Amino acid sequence: EPEVTQTPSHQVTQMGQEVILRCVPISNHLYFYWYRQILGQKVEFLVSFYNNEISEKSEIFDDQFSVERPDGSNFTLKIRSTKLEDSAMYFCASRLRGDHYNEQFFGPGTRLTVL
Amino acid sequence: AQTVTQSQPEMSVQEAETVTLSCTYDTSESNYYLFWYKQPPSRQMILVIRQEAYKQQNATENRFSVNFQKAAKSFSLKISDSQLGDTAMYFCAFMKIYNQGGKLIFGQGTELSVKP
Repeated sequence: EPEVTQTPSHQVTQMGQEVILRCVPISNHLYFYWYRQILGQKVEFLVSFYNNEISEKSEIFDDQFSVERPDGSNFTLKIRSTKLEDSAMYFCASRLRGDHYNEQFFGPGTRLTVL
Repeated sequence: AQTVTQSQPEMSVQEAETVTLSCTYDTSESNYYLFWYKQPPSRQMILVIRQEAYKQQNATENRFSVNFQKAAKSFSLKISDSQLGDTAMYFCAFMKIYNQGGKLIFGQGTELSVKP
């Protein structure tokens, strides 16, 4: 069964460093998402991406964040200068299309720890 | 803006018994989807059940069913014959129906423990 994959499973970085979190969505899906879950808190929407551009972003998704789909398969989230409060679980999700309900399939997440 | 509220941070149930998790939401939209996601200790998000707001009939998936009260903006999840594998965090989520972006708005979660 097709699944969303994410790498790495755990990333440790120093404050101020850049990190790139990688996701491989399900191959025929067209909509892609990043969500964040700070430990013990709810899952929060960061950004949605369709047709090679951002379709919606939250207030959390400031200039320190960027997304891209560099090669038609990977979907990446970059944090330019990490802060302590960026420590969280980051989930990628993908959806087949948007004209009718389609389930969002989530990846297993990347745990980001900023020291 | 839409909000989703889960007022039960933790719940426990004995194996084989029934438990109901509560969720309320606030929206001015008339068409939307509601979901329950399960997050076991592995942290993977798994869709349990979904409900289209335009459907009056409550959704059912095996041991899982919902009580959708549109006027009250309430969406509870009932788990029948609880199993140890149901132990997880459960999130209620909302999505606008004609939203091409399709973002999910989650509640705070309810941690369910199924005891043997």
